[in-house]
Amino acid sequence: LAKTTQPISMDSYEGQEVNITCSHNNIATNDYITWYQQFPSQGPRFIIQGYKTKVTNEVASLFIPADRKSSTLSLPRVSLSDTAVYYCLVGDRNTGRRALTFGSGTRLQVQP
Amino acid sequence: EAQVTQNPRYLITVTGKKLTVTCSQNMNHEYMSWYRQDPGLGLRQIYYSMNVEVTDKGDVPEGYKVSRKEKRNFPLILESPSPNQTSLYFCASSHQSGTGHEQYFGPGTRLTVT
Repeated sequence: LAKTTQPISMDSYEGQEVNITCSHNNIATNDYITWYQQFPSQGPRFIIQGYKTKVTNEVASLFIPADRKSSTLSLPRVSLSDTAVYYCLVGDRNTGRRALTFGSGTRLQVQP
Repeated sequence: EAQVTQNPRYLITVTGKKLTVTCSQNMNHEYMSWYRQDPGLGLRQIYYSMNVEVTDKGDVPEGYKVSRKEKRNFPLILESPSPNQTSLYFCASSHQSGTGHEQYFGPGTRLTVT
């Protein structure tokens, strides 16, 4: 599995757009990029997944440059409820154990 | 509502007293898995199941057992709990198709073994 590097923490204010960048220099051709959100003492929640360019859903956008060595999770107009830890995962189609490897993540704190 | 449920949510027990943590999903997922989460160690997979009657070890299976007699249920069994099994446990499920990275997690079970 490709190693990922994310900022340990970020601060923002309500209503702002937040961009969290994940570095994955050793990403392999078959690897997908997936982001999860986790609130304290709750299970991780799938946010978005992509392979290249841009993916958007009702929650977030994921931007992946052509070289795929990094990716950026974009949260539009954050609210206090977006305060959580965000994890970037990189891995290929894991049809076997499907063990997800969560790193330290980025702790996002949204202020009023 | 599509969800993964776990019971109990909190449990304090003593060393050696057998316990079972239940996990159930209502999404007809083939794949189910158990993780434990410890500070500084992230999520580690304990056991997983690709379908009914098919289970296999994850990264940290010692001291745990599982069974998959029905598609919706995947209980985690600690035959003789020890203090080093004090942790936050998560059950997860997903469809067999896709990348395997879109998994649905339960709310967690916080276990303390004294």
